[in-house]
Amino acid sequence: SAVISQKPSRDICQRGTSLTIQCQVDSQVTMMFWYRQQPGQSLTLIATANQGSEATYESGFVIDKFPISRPNLTFSTLTVSNMSPEDSSIYLCSSKGAVGTDTQYFGPGTRLTVL
Amino acid sequence: GQQLNQSPQSMFIQEGEDVSMNCTSSSIFNTWLWYKQDPGEGPVLLIALYKAGELTSNGRLTAQFGITRKDSFLNISASIPSDVGIYFCAGYAGNNRKLIWGLGTSLAVNP
Repeated sequence: SAVISQKPSRDICQRGTSLTIQCQVDSQVTMMFWYRQQPGQSLTLIATANQGSEATYESGFVIDKFPISRPNLTFSTLTVSNMSPEDSSIYLCSSKGAVGTDTQYFGPGTRLTVL
Repeated sequence: GQQLNQSPQSMFIQEGEDVSMNCTSSSIFNTWLWYKQDPGEGPVLLIALYKAGELTSNGRLTAQFGITRKDSFLNISASIPSDVGIYFCAGYAGNNRKLIWGLGTSLAVNP
């Protein structure tokens, strides 16, 4: 299984500012994913980040709002831009497991509060 | 987007009781995954199922891939207080490579 860490674990931000969340995986992985989880809700996929190519965004999420970097096979960042209180949520980084498996492993999440 | 029907939405049980929850879909699934999420943490993978009819255990947890490929079950035997949390089913349907999630089952255990 992959071990995933995220920074920061939580933050309180002012409206209109931006926050960059970092995700580090302990092994090289092709696909990394960014999810959002509203309080008491299930997980919603924001985008899939492959190394060496632009991230693929899901419906309702755009690159200008959630720019993603994937500079190598173990690291990715998600930026939440021009934040509003509606962006308050838990943001989770994920990667697939061993090659050929469909399992996904998750980081501990970043709890974001926007005032 | 597509979501799985997960039930029950919540459960409150006595320590030592067995627990059962399930997920259903109108689509055929190729993989079923069961996760547990503790407060303030990311989901942790409990069991992965890849074949119709497959029955897999992980300690006191047992999960089954339904024979119709449209459902899956998770059972927890002899519950203990640390079983408290939210359990999510997730899976891949058809050729879709996007993981589809249930809405979760919140489990509370009374010691």
